[in-house]
Order: sequence, then C-alpha cells, then structure tokens
Amino acid sequence: KAGVTQTPRYLIKTRGQQVTLSCSPISGHRSVSWYQQTPGQGLQFLFEYFSETQRNKGNFPGRFSGRQFSNSRSEMNVSTLELGDSALYLCASSLAGREYQPQHFGDGTRLSIL
Amino acid sequence: DQQVKQNSPSLSVQEGRISILNCDYTNSMFDYFLWYKKYPAEGPTFLISISSIKDKNEDGRFTVFLNKSAKHLSLHIVPSQPGDSAVYFCAASDSRANAGKSTFGDGTTLTVKP
Repeated sequence: KAGVTQTPRYLIKTRGQQVTLSCSPISGHRSVSWYQQTPGQGLQFLFEYFSETQRNKGNFPGRFSGRQFSNSRSEMNVSTLELGDSALYLCASSLAGREYQPQHFGDGTRLSIL
Repeated sequence: DQQVKQNSPSLSVQEGRISILNCDYTNSMFDYFLWYKKYPAEGPTFLISISSIKDKNEDGRFTVFLNKSAKHLSLHIVPSQPGDSAVYFCAASDSRANAGKSTFGDGTTLTVKP
C-alpha cells in the first residue's frame, strides 16, 4: 500500500514569491492535514481538510491556504513568501472514520526562502 | 502557550537498557495521545497510541503509560536498540472536536549507544 506522497521534496524560492505544495494521501484516507516544522521545533498545525472542506485551522496568517480535491489529494499554497517561511512542510492523512485513527505522514517538502 | 511539552531535548542510553521518554500536557480535552518516531529526511512514523480511557498500552518493545491526574505520559522502550536512535515526538488530540489536528511537543532525540 503506497504511503503519503508529497511533491516536490525540495524547493527554493525568493521572498515575495508564492509556492504550491502537493500531497497525495494513502488510498481511502479522506482527511488530510498540513503541518510546519522549523528547526528545533515541533510540528505546528496549519489546517485540515475533509471531503474538500477545511475542517480545522491553526494560527497561521491568511497567506497560508489550502484545498482538497474530490480524490482527496490536497495542495497547500503560501503567497508573498517571507524568510521565516523556510521550513519542512509535512502532510498527514488518516481514515477519519468513526473511531479515532492516527495520522500517517509523508516525507515532507523542504522549502527554503532566499 | 505550549499545550504539549517534552522537557528533555535529548536522551542517551546503552543498548539493551530501558529508554524512558516523558511528555506533559495541559489541555484536559485531549483524549488521544500518540508517539511518533522521526529519522532525518523522513516524515514522522506512527509508533503507538493510547486513549484516555486506558492507562497503559503495549506493543512489542514499546509501552506507553498515561497518568491523567498528572497530565503526563511516558514511552518505555525495552530493550533499547541502536536502530531506535531517532527523534521522538509526543502528540495529543481532542478527537471529538479536532480529530484531524494533533498538537505536538518539540521532540526528544534518543541516542542508543552500542
């Protein structure tokens, strides 16, 4: 069974640009969440999508946005990039059934802002 | 306000001995707790979880203990192996309100010496 796939793995951008990251969840998983990890920090929750709707949102500025498609694939967009946006962006998927299910993570997209 | 805290940034143990990783939380609404392991250049891998209705969950060499009154959980690894060397993240979730959102600690780097 294929895991969570994130593309691209590495990305270099300059300040002011925008970027789109992609995530393909495990087949059958309907919930997709995004997290940001900066050096020495834990994972900070960005948002979660379920059935193409944003169900939860973290404390990030509006420059961070996302969407989910009918096949559960998700994209995250960051506009007007700042140096502080340099981080590892992780996507996680889960079944989101009746019982709580743990999230399964992709290997992340390493975003560097110059 | 950091709701999940891992107060030890690092831990070093000898191969074959027990590793104990600790985690504290403040939010009483958390009802699921998880441990993830992360190797460099990879995403976090789910290790073990525990529901708030239990105080212990065991899976092979890994056991998680939950003390709800103290808002504390711990992960025991017995016996520790060099391949266990990784960053371990504690995470918590309020499955009723935010099933797709986990709140993470900053991680503990475990080094198991041969």
